Amino acid sequence: SQELEQSPQSLIVQEGKNLTINCTSSKTLYGLYWYKQKYGEGLIFLMMLQKGGEEKSHEKITAKLDEKKQQSSLHITASQPSHAGIYLCGAISNAGGTSYGKLTFGQGTILTVHP
Amino acid sequence: NAGVTQTPKFQVLKTGQSMTLQCAQDMNHEYMSWYRQDPGMGLRLIHYSVGAGITDQGEVPNGYNVSRSTTEDFPLRLLSAAPSQTSVYFCASSYGTGAFFGQGTRLTVV
Repeated sequence: SQELEQSPQSLIVQEGKNLTINCTSSKTLYGLYWYKQKYGEGLIFLMMLQKGGEEKSHEKITAKLDEKKQQSSLHITASQPSHAGIYLCGAISNAGGTSYGKLTFGQGTILTVHP
Repeated sequence: NAGVTQTPKFQVLKTGQSMTLQCAQDMNHEYMSWYRQDPGMGLRLIHYSVGAGITDQGEVPNGYNVSRSTTEDFPLRLLSAAPSQTSVYFCASSYGTGAFFGQGTRLTVV
């Protein structure tokens, strides 16, 4: 079965600093989703990457997919307290339409941003 | 748009009781899924559906049943609740380029 490892597990930064969260898969990535979760709340969909080399942005958050390394990185520029939360990556383990309902998740990265 | 709606938000059950967690989506997505989130275990797939009338098991299906009679609804049934089913349950609705989650149901089994 596919496993996703996120690093770091937790991150504390000062407001205004840039940061990167990584998500590495044990198997080929056919699709990689990034989410943000506030404690006690649901998952907010940030973006999905499907092709090697693909890069997407959502406000000050940019994610890239490196197919060869089986890895995705999430980069936040000029972090703000509103960016604080848990960031989760989820992946599809197989190509093909039926896989879109079956995601494997990483353990999450807890981000704290100090004003 | 409501997106994915889960009810109830909180529930306390006694061991052995049964209940149904409701999930509805208004985005006309084919794929719907149920996950549970536990500390240290992350999110794990319970059951999923690729369309009305079609369901399949995920990683942790034991103790749960699902059915999908319409595109919009995907209820999760706990047959006989056990303390090990204490968790936060999330329903998701997805298509080719996105997967959207409900706000979750926090279930405690005593």
